[in-house]
Amino acid sequence: AQSVTQLDSQVPVFEEAPVELRCNYSSSVSVYLFWYVQYPNQGLQLLLKYLSGSTLVKGINGFEAEFNKSQTSFHLRKPSVHISDTAEYFCAVKNNNAGNMLTFGGGTRLMVKP
Amino acid sequence: DAGVTQSPTHLIKTRGQQVTLRCSPKSGHDTVSWYQQALGQGPQFIFQYYEEEERQRGNFPDRFSGHQFPNYSSELNVNALLLGDSALYLCASSLEATHGYTFGSGTRLTVV
Repeated sequence: AQSVTQLDSQVPVFEEAPVELRCNYSSSVSVYLFWYVQYPNQGLQLLLKYLSGSTLVKGINGFEAEFNKSQTSFHLRKPSVHISDTAEYFCAVKNNNAGNMLTFGGGTRLMVKP
Repeated sequence: DAGVTQSPTHLIKTRGQQVTLRCSPKSGHDTVSWYQQALGQGPQFIFQYYEEEERQRGNFPDRFSGHQFPNYSSELNVNALLLGDSALYLCASSLEATHGYTFGSGTRLTVV
């Protein structure tokens, strides 16, 4: 079985500061990894995904994530956040043994303060 | 290009009733998945439809059923509603054998 743990339920940060949202997964086989953002009263928007190749993945809105197989992690980072980045962020994993389903973590609420 | 469209956006039902939620996938997508997102939690996989068949199912009771039509649109049906079924129901479409999932804005179901 696969599972995802997002270690921080809330992350407060000041505007223009850097941020890292942590994600760890468990899977016995190769995985595909995703980060989604959810703004209030909206669906999920894909920020970035890791399928294969370079372990550093760049996404939209200045976000990037690094796949670390040995630590089974896929942490999301942004060097300088904006007020508009305030939202819920979800890490998700998919592996071929689990079919086509995405397994999501519990989410991290990023709160950017002026 | 329209993305994933879900209807209705909000719905209030009484315990024991039945509900049908609808989803139109993104143009060019042939696979539809449904997720339940309870308040303050991550989405949970309900099931996926491809070629009008349920291909994979998550850990949900058979009160939850679905359908996919020849135009790839899909319905989610929930019978004998419980208070615990209150949630945001998300539809995601994709193209078979790819890893690009596009989510709709969801249907907020409240069971009273």
